[in-house]
Amino acid sequence: AQSVAQPEDQVNVAEGNPLTVKCTYSVSGNPYLFWYVQYPNRGLQFLLKYITGDNLVKGSYGFEAEFNKSQTSFHLKKPSALVSDSALYFCAVRDGSNYQLIWGAGTKLIIKP
Amino acid sequence: SAVISQKPSRDICQRGTSLTIQCQVDSQVTMMFWYRQQPGQSLTLIATANQGSEATYESGFVIDKFPISRPNLTFSTLTVSNMSPEDSSIYLCSVVEGVEQYFGPGTRLTVT
Repeated sequence: AQSVAQPEDQVNVAEGNPLTVKCTYSVSGNPYLFWYVQYPNRGLQFLLKYITGDNLVKGSYGFEAEFNKSQTSFHLKKPSALVSDSALYFCAVRDGSNYQLIWGAGTKLIIKP
Repeated sequence: SAVISQKPSRDICQRGTSLTIQCQVDSQVTMMFWYRQQPGQSLTLIATANQGSEATYESGFVIDKFPISRPNLTFSTLTVSNMSPEDSSIYLCSVVEGVEQYFGPGTRLTVT
């Protein structure tokens, strides 16, 4: 069965420090992986995706994510956190043959000044 | 990327009534999804609404409770029927463009 795990309900990081939000997945075919961000009282915004190619993908707002096939992970990273990065982050996956996304539970990222 | 608008942005409704949520896209899209999200929680897919075919509902969701229309490639409606407080949630429409999925701003529904 296809699934996505975000093992941390909440991640706390000091402003200026690097951040990592973890995501692992299970999918039967080739994975299409996505990160979305949701700011308070806002809709979901697409951050970045991995379909194929370079394992390190760069996205919006300085975020990047690394696809690791052997560990079935797609962790979201940013070298230097901003207070404005505080939001709810969702990892999602689908296989190439199906447009329906499987969603993680979400990780609340709190950046403290 | 597709720009999606939803109406209303929020509403407070009495139990037993129905609310129709509209979703408008600025481009023609084949695939559209309707989701439900409790605040601070993950998304639950209600149904897939493709133009020219009946909506496909996920387990736990039925057409009588959540009828969907998809009259053309830029518009869809989701009706929440005979509402109860358990229907209080955020309802999101979403479209597929290329390999990515984009979301509307959501409709925050409170049922009293």
